[in-house]
This record gives sequence, C-alpha cells and structure tokens, in this order.
Amino acid sequence: QVQLVQSGAEVKKPGASVKVSCKTSGYTFISYHVNWVRQAPGQGPEWMGIINPADGNTNKSPQFQGRVTITRDTSTSTVYMELSGLRPEDTAIYFCARVATGVKGFVHWGQGTLVTVSS
Amino acid sequence: DIVLTQSPGTLSLSPGERATLSCRASQNINNNYLAWYQQRFGQAPRLLIYGATNRATGIPDRFSGSGSGTDFTLTIDRLEPEDCAVYYCQQFGTSPYTFGQGTKLEIK
Repeated sequence: QVQLVQSGAEVKKPGASVKVSCKTSGYTFISYHVNWVRQAPGQGPEWMGIINPADGNTNKSPQFQGRVTITRDTSTSTVYMELSGLRPEDTAIYFCARVATGVKGFVHWGQGTLVTVSS
Repeated sequence: DIVLTQSPGTLSLSPGERATLSCRASQNINNNYLAWYQQRFGQAPRLLIYGATNRATGIPDRFSGSGSGTDFTLTIDRLEPEDCAVYYCQQFGTSPYTFGQGTKLEIK
C-alpha cells in the first residue's frame, strides 16, 4: 500500500532553516509528483509546492519563492522540503501529499510534521 | 492566485439533516478541478470529492459534489455524528493550488 512517512517534529529559532523529509513506499517513486502543504494552528491548509521525482523539476507557490527548496533522492524514494528564514508565523504542521491516478485531489498524505518556530 | 471563499463559516445541524456547503472561486476553475476534503481534529485532510462531482474511493454516497465555473457545493445527506469536522475546498485548475478557509460542521 502507498505510504508517505515524514520525519519528526522540529523546534527552530527565528532565522533558522528546517528540512522535512517524506519517505515514500508502495509505488513507483518516479511515477507521481509529490506536493507539500502546510497548516498553521487553527488555519486552513496552504499549498507550498510540488516536485516531479522523475526529473526533479519543481513548481512553488509565489508566497514561498526564494525561501522553499524541494528536492528528492531517487535512491531512497524520499522527498525533502527545506524552508529558510523561519519566522514565528511559519509554525505549522507540514504535510507531504500525493494524488492517485486520474484523481485531481490529494488521496495519500504523510502523517504531518510539526515545526515550531520560537525564540 | 485564485481565492476560494467558503460559506458558511460554521454550520450546526442535527443528525439526519442535510448539510449544504458552498465554495466560490475568484475566477473560473479550469476543467472544474475542484476537490473537497474532510478534516477531523488532529488528522490529515481526507479527500471526499474531486473534479467537482466525483466521489473518492470509499466515500459514502451521502456525500455529493456539484457546480462548475466559479460556484461549487458539497452536500452531505443524512448527517451522522461522525460527520463533525472541518470541510475544505481546493482548486487544482491553476497553480498555486489554493484552499478555501474551511466550513466547520457541528452536529447537535
């Protein structure tokens, strides 16, 4: 079965960077794009960006341009999201998510990674 | 960016009633690529509807989606206590793939 397993919670100081991993299994890694979505406390989800694991091409939300880097490691079927210049308002749960064949919607989700930014 | 506005903010209904949730887009959504999610407390969102009208695998037929262009609706018939959650719409027509701010459904 399809699984997306994320790295554990992080606590960072303002100005620092955080790198969250999403290890995939149960399917052919290069066949499906992987997205990153975050959700601040009490807020709706926010789409951050997407990577094509086949070639590493990315598309990021303008809101995060210049601060977010999305990469992949095909040898471990893992996708990474790094966010730099952290601010307290970046405190959120960060999810990786994937569509299914023929479905324009996120069917498969990671369990989420809480990132807390605090001095 | 396409802005999705959901209404109402909160809906309080009794078991067995019907819930009607609205999602309005600031511009046409290409190919009606509009999805609906259910999010219970502490969980990741769960896909209910995609392409405005298609139920995702395993979703009961009490859940249905309708609409096109800029106006979309999620209808939940015969409400059950387990339907208590926040519901979000998301558009996949144009990047960035924005979400609405959510409708909280309370079951009395």
